[in-house]
Amino acid sequence: DGGITQSPKYLFRKEGQNVTLSCEQNLNHDAMYWYRQDPGQGLRLIYYSQIVNDFQKGDIAEGYSVSREKKESFPLTVTSAQKNPTAFYLCASKRGLVNYGYTFGSGTRLTVV
Amino acid sequence: GNSVTQMEGPVTLSEEAFLTINCTYTATGYPSLFWYVQYPGEGLQLLLKATKADDKGSNKGFEATYRKETTSFHLEKGSVQVSDSAVYFCALSDEGPNNDMRFGAGTRLTVKP
Repeated sequence: DGGITQSPKYLFRKEGQNVTLSCEQNLNHDAMYWYRQDPGQGLRLIYYSQIVNDFQKGDIAEGYSVSREKKESFPLTVTSAQKNPTAFYLCASKRGLVNYGYTFGSGTRLTVV
Repeated sequence: GNSVTQMEGPVTLSEEAFLTINCTYTATGYPSLFWYVQYPGEGLQLLLKATKADDKGSNKGFEATYRKETTSFHLEKGSVQVSDSAVYFCALSDEGPNNDMRFGAGTRLTVKP
């Protein structure tokens, strides 16, 4: 079955370290997105990519970086510049120009220790 | 810019009670509207959607009608079950190729037996 796979499900990072969250999809979707979710809050857009080798900043891109070298993959790096990285991170994808809604992965919970 | 406002939770109901979760939106164009559901520790799942005014989205007993005159998309279910306990997100997305999804803050629903 097609879907989005995020790994790992739980991730612990020491302060000052960079960490990369994986997001892979086999849905042949063109667009991919990264959101951050904090307890009791909605989703905030970090980065998105409409096509391979192109991506745009969302509302809270500072302290994060992404790449889109393959259609299937959209990894997110949380850098040491992100001051409050502990959160639940969600990856999503969307098929082309048609607005069918997003397909989400199951998320990665990042904790800074 | 586009935004979504949904009723604050948490909402606690008894099994078989009627559910309404209010959602209103602000948008410059003609967005598509969505309801997503999130179970504990998981990503979001698309529950239902409506793409134009007066459309009614429905799924698993949940319904919502796109009301352009009141800029609303309230979620309703006639008889909730314990298994409906989750967080519900209202969202909108503009038409066009560079759209991205805007989410409300989420409403936590707990259904007690």
